[in-house]
Amino acid sequence: DAKTTQPNSMESNEEEPVHLPCNHSTISGTDYIHWYRQLPSQGPEYVIHGLTSNVNNRMASLAIAEDRKSSTLILHRATLRDAAVYYCILRDNFGNEKLTFGTGTRLTIIP
Amino acid sequence: DTEVTQTPKHLVMGMTNKKSLKCEQHMGHRAMYWYKQKAKKPPELMFVYSYEKLSINESVPSRFSPECPNSSLLNLHLHALQPEDSALYLCASSQGVYRGQMSSYNEQFFGPGTRLTVL
Repeated sequence: DAKTTQPNSMESNEEEPVHLPCNHSTISGTDYIHWYRQLPSQGPEYVIHGLTSNVNNRMASLAIAEDRKSSTLILHRATLRDAAVYYCILRDNFGNEKLTFGTGTRLTIIP
Repeated sequence: DTEVTQTPKHLVMGMTNKKSLKCEQHMGHRAMYWYKQKAKKPPELMFVYSYEKLSINESVPSRFSPECPNSSLLNLHLHALQPEDSALYLCASSQGVYRGQMSSYNEQFFGPGTRLTVL
């Protein structure tokens, strides 16, 4: 599986936008970019995914670089409930069902 | 119903005990997963069942024995565990692979986990 690189931790003020970066320079043409997050004492939950175009859903936006070697998860207005570990994961759409988690970014929200 | 349930929530067992973890989903998913997560670490895949058949075993020791009795249920049988096996055990499910291709919406739904302590 292609590898992703994320900062270990980030802090953001409540009610401000948060940009979580992810580098994936060895991404292949059939790899989708998935984001999951894990809130304290919970299992991971799906956030968003994309292939080439930017994506929006009710939780977040995903901005994908034109060369696809990096992406950014955007939380438009962070709340205390967004404090979690955010994982950026590459997944081959023609591969098997494996989801390989990297170390992720621990996001702290400051009230 | 988009929920994956796991029982028990907590389990304490001795090294000579035999116990089982249970996982259930009613979303019609055909892929189910076991992950192990140590404190402050990411989840690590252990097993994948696809259409009730074991499709991936990530070289897990035989003291962990998975079972998929039907498409809604997944068990993990534990026997002769070691203290280093203490961890959070997460179950997940997804639509699964069909004819060699996953739907791009093949997100995994995770349960809350079972916190296992081996004494």
